[in-house]
Amino acid sequence: DTAVSQTPKYLVTQMGNDKSIKCEQNLGHDTMYWYKQDSKKFLKIMFSYNNKELIINETVPNRFSPKSPDKAHLNLHINSLELGDSAVYFCASSQGAGSEKLFFGSGTQLSVL
Amino acid sequence: QQQVKQSPQSLIVQKGGIPIINCAYENTAFDYFPWYQQFPGKGPALLIAIRPDVSEKKEGRFTISFNKSAKQFSLHIMDSQPGDSATYFCAANNGYSGGGADGLTFGKGTHLIIQP
Repeated sequence: DTAVSQTPKYLVTQMGNDKSIKCEQNLGHDTMYWYKQDSKKFLKIMFSYNNKELIINETVPNRFSPKSPDKAHLNLHINSLELGDSAVYFCASSQGAGSEKLFFGSGTQLSVL
Repeated sequence: QQQVKQSPQSLIVQKGGIPIINCAYENTAFDYFPWYQQFPGKGPALLIAIRPDVSEKKEGRFTISFNKSAKQFSLHIMDSQPGDSATYFCAANNGYSGGGADGLTFGKGTHLIIQP
């Protein structure tokens, strides 16, 4: 069973569209994250959710909005997609607040045309 | 501002050699330093981690050396194998002081190739 699963694996869309990426973890973890990996492989945290509360929100445009229906899911919704949003987006989870060991999903490669 | 600086950007080593990847940090509040391994098309996976109260940690063929005074740490891979070819990331916890969950600050990664 996949511990952290995200869908879709690939997402190709036009500029200006709205899209969502779904993430689910079956590890029973309390905290989930979204990371963005750019073309140079640089990983940067976007959000984290702990017990359905947003804990970290780095300097991410408000076109990006995380939504967590329950602690096993953290979806990422992106409005008005721009060319610069093209990247690989990783969902991750960890046990407990302040826990460092992250379990990552396999990523969603977003291409904005 | 890049809080964790990683080098080299890429590294090629012959099988059996000992690749060394270095990282330096600035924030003295960091107290957890993991290394993640990422294969193409996959998410990063935790490889080994260290806290600043020890100077070295070994797990199998992987060793972290930590120098607190220099604010540097490095990953050594003993008896490297072609299957070790991957991108390696050092990281440090954010030391988020407001309570709640911390994220990790990652270095920019090292693309390692182990040649047969």
